[in-house]
Amino acid sequence: DADVTQTPRNRITKTGKRIMLECSQTKGHDRMYWYRQDPGLGLRLIYYSFDVKDINKGEISDGYSVSRQAQAKFSLSLESAIPNQTALYFCATSDRDRPTDTQYFGPGTRLTVL
Amino acid sequence: DAKTTQPNSMESNEEEPVHLPCNHSTISGTDYIHWYRQLPSQGPEYVIHGLTSNVNNRMASLAIAEDRKSSTLILHRATLRDAAVYYCILNQGGKLIFGQGTELSVKP
Repeated sequence: DADVTQTPRNRITKTGKRIMLECSQTKGHDRMYWYRQDPGLGLRLIYYSFDVKDINKGEISDGYSVSRQAQAKFSLSLESAIPNQTALYFCATSDRDRPTDTQYFGPGTRLTVL
Repeated sequence: DAKTTQPNSMESNEEEPVHLPCNHSTISGTDYIHWYRQLPSQGPEYVIHGLTSNVNNRMASLAIAEDRKSSTLILHRATLRDAAVYYCILNQGGKLIFGQGTELSVKP
């Protein structure tokens, strides 16, 4: 079984709808992240969480919110989806806030906003 | 945030070595250099990291310049499965700041 899972894997929605993307991990890591990737570009950090009580904004948090329901679960919400939020979304985890720590990525969620 | 600069694309022949360069002239003393790769239709995966000394692991080698303003990822024998986008990233306090990466194609 995969260590980092994301649901759904694909989603098509309409402008103005509320969307939630979910991430679960079985690695026992404290830190979790949400990134988005646009075609031909690298990943950009949306939000990250040190632990259940800690939430931090990344480079591009506008239009997004997150919830850390438990150590193993980190959800990303689009309160009112817009077409330029069409992208590939990745969740990742790491063990501690150290510059040597590896991040482990999920398989991604492809979101299309019409 | 410190940035990295990589060529947009590179080509290699199968079973030959590949040297992927990266410039990071604004690196600070505590920034670790990480490399990740992203295979088609997958999330990024860790390849290697280093601070000052050259590093080797089962996937690759990392050569870091003495002034730390550049580094090179070395794949000793490229295979078709190594075709991917390779990202050179400065890990700053646990945050990864991705650039556009280098798309590596491997020819049989």
